Amino acid sequence: SQQGEEDPQALSIQEGENATMNCSYKTSINNLQWYRQNSGRGLVHLILIRSNEREKHSGRLRVTLDTSKKSSSLLITASRAADTASYFCATADIQGAQKLVFGQGTRLTINP
Amino acid sequence: ETGVTQSPTHLIKTRGQQVTLRCSSQSGHNTVSWYQQALGQGPQFIFQYYREEENGRGNFPPRFSGLQFPNYSSELNVNALELDDSALYLCASSPRGTNVLTFGAGSRLTVL
Repeated sequence: SQQGEEDPQALSIQEGENATMNCSYKTSINNLQWYRQNSGRGLVHLILIRSNEREKHSGRLRVTLDTSKKSSSLLITASRAADTASYFCATADIQGAQKLVFGQGTRLTINP
Repeated sequence: ETGVTQSPTHLIKTRGQQVTLRCSSQSGHNTVSWYQQALGQGPQFIFQYYREEENGRGNFPPRFSGLQFPNYSSELNVNALELDDSALYLCASSPRGTNVLTFGAGSRLTVL
């Protein structure tokens, strides 16, 4: 079963706008990661945030984590057409840290 | 360094047949995980191998089995194929002690 729930399921914005995706999860976690997938290909790791961190930045990506609400958000600033992809959050719970549990993903479309 | 490579990229089988999917892990990675991704869904954890032994398993029946070889490459075997086994099968490798995964491009299995 899926641990994470991404919201929205699909998002369409204009190039240059910011895109925000949200993820909720159920169990206590060691860390939370975001991955990107282009057109049913392999996933690419974007960023990891540990359970004791609240915010992390990497280039145009900003991730927040609220462990009290069991939720995370991914912000992509100044979006580009090449950002069109599906984005997944993945959690590693405390008991099974090597096993990642993925959400259902947000399908992001950037319109030129 | 080479990434994770999977073969074959596409294959078609009929119900009841058996299939073997192969994966070469990224150089320096000794842990291999397999995921099943149905269309429009997030990846679901099948199992993980470390030191040639299964190191965690998801909610999949015993007809899903695997192997890891001394060079850290891996196989996923599925017996008695069912229509619902149609999916993208993703292999991912990681160094021991981290759950940041490097994914292959996947093997797309269609069961008719």
